[in-house]
Amino acid sequence: GNSVTQMEGPVTLSEEAFLTINCTYTATGYPSLFWYVQYPGEGLQLLLKATKADDKGSNKGFEATYRKETTSFHLEKGSVQVSDSAVYFCALSASTGRRALTFGSGTRLQVQP
Amino acid sequence: NAGVTQTPKFQVLKTGQSMTLQCAQDMNHEYMSWYRQDPGMGLRLIHYSVGAGITDQGEVPNGYNVSRSTTEDFPLRLLSAAPSQTSVYFCATLRGQGGNEQYFGPGTRLTVT
Repeated sequence: GNSVTQMEGPVTLSEEAFLTINCTYTATGYPSLFWYVQYPGEGLQLLLKATKADDKGSNKGFEATYRKETTSFHLEKGSVQVSDSAVYFCALSASTGRRALTFGSGTRLQVQP
Repeated sequence: NAGVTQTPKFQVLKTGQSMTLQCAQDMNHEYMSWYRQDPGMGLRLIHYSVGAGITDQGEVPNGYNVSRSTTEDFPLRLLSAAPSQTSVYFCATLRGQGGNEQYFGPGTRLTVT
């Protein structure tokens, strides 16, 4: 079956530091890949997505590239802010059949001033 | 547009009680689903529906029932609540044709004592 593995947190960084959150996946075919963000006490918001190999998703300074050869979709940001503190989820949606999302376990990011 | 709404936001139940979590959407999306979020486990799919009158089981369906009589509503029923069902529940929608971005409601935090 499909699965998503992401690095465990919490990840603690100082403001303006570089962020990488690793995500790898297992899936048949050509899934779509997503990063969702959950701020404290809120639901999930789509941060960025990529639907085919070598696509780069980007939003709010965050980027992730769909790497089929390494089955990865790592999230990066060049300079984090305190307001980026949240839980980040990597997810995939299968290209066929059931279109539900398969989520990773989430990575909590804490940015200190 | 309200998007995806969920009620209630918080609920406390005693073991053995039943209740219904409500989910409504005004985007005319065909696909709706229910997830539960537990610490360290990401989100897991409970049930989903690809359209009015059609439902199917996800990864963790035991103890939950759903129905889809209209496009707008997708209630989740707990028949006899158990402490293991203490969780945060999210409803999500997906546009049918060609869409792959899921939209999440704000969640319902359920505690079963």
